[in-house]
Amino acid sequence: GENVEQHPSTLSVQEGDSAVIKCTYSDSASNYFPWYKQELGKGPQLIIDIRSNVGEKKDQRIAVTLNKTAKHFSLHITETQPEDSAVYFCAASIRGTASKLTFGTGTRLQVTL
Amino acid sequence: KAGVTQTPRYLIKTRGQQVTLSCSPISGHRSVSWYQQTPGQGLQFLFEYFSETQRNKGNFPGRFSGRQFSNSRSEMNVSTLELGDSALYLCASSLSSGGINEQFFGPGTRLTVL
Repeated sequence: GENVEQHPSTLSVQEGDSAVIKCTYSDSASNYFPWYKQELGKGPQLIIDIRSNVGEKKDQRIAVTLNKTAKHFSLHITETQPEDSAVYFCAASIRGTASKLTFGTGTRLQVTL
Repeated sequence: KAGVTQTPRYLIKTRGQQVTLSCSPISGHRSVSWYQQTPGQGLQFLFEYFSETQRNKGNFPGRFSGRQFSNSRSEMNVSTLELGDSALYLCASSLSSGGINEQFFGPGTRLTVL
């Protein structure tokens, strides 16, 4: 089955700086890679996703890049704000089983003033 | 548009009991997936239901089961509860199954097994 590794486990940045979270996946048949943000006491919230036929996708301060050859994808958050503080999860799903997401172990992002 | 709702939000049970959790997907969504979240194992896929049929299954024992009703609402049941079943159980809904569809999560049900 699919295996997703995520680094770092914790990340502390100053407000206004950029944050980068990296994930690798094992199954070359994976074709969908969403990122979720989870705040305390809430369920994961989808913030951006990318499909295997796209190398990069951007939505305001958030961008995701995908390198299929190396089997890794990254989340980039620019101009971080205190409200970006949360746990971020990457995930992957294999072609044909899109609803079966395999998650990374999470990155706790803290944005300090 | 209302999001995914899960009931109850909190539950305390004792070992050996059984529990039923409920999930109502976003209106128009027909696929419901369940995940277990624990500090040790992270987020793990339990199963997915679409059109009242289980479409995918994770690596959990048979004590974990689910079903889906004709209105797409879903329930999951855990029988003979063990201490290790203490977790946040999350439900996610999407438009359909198979192809790529965004999954939207509910707030979860926090189950504590004593």
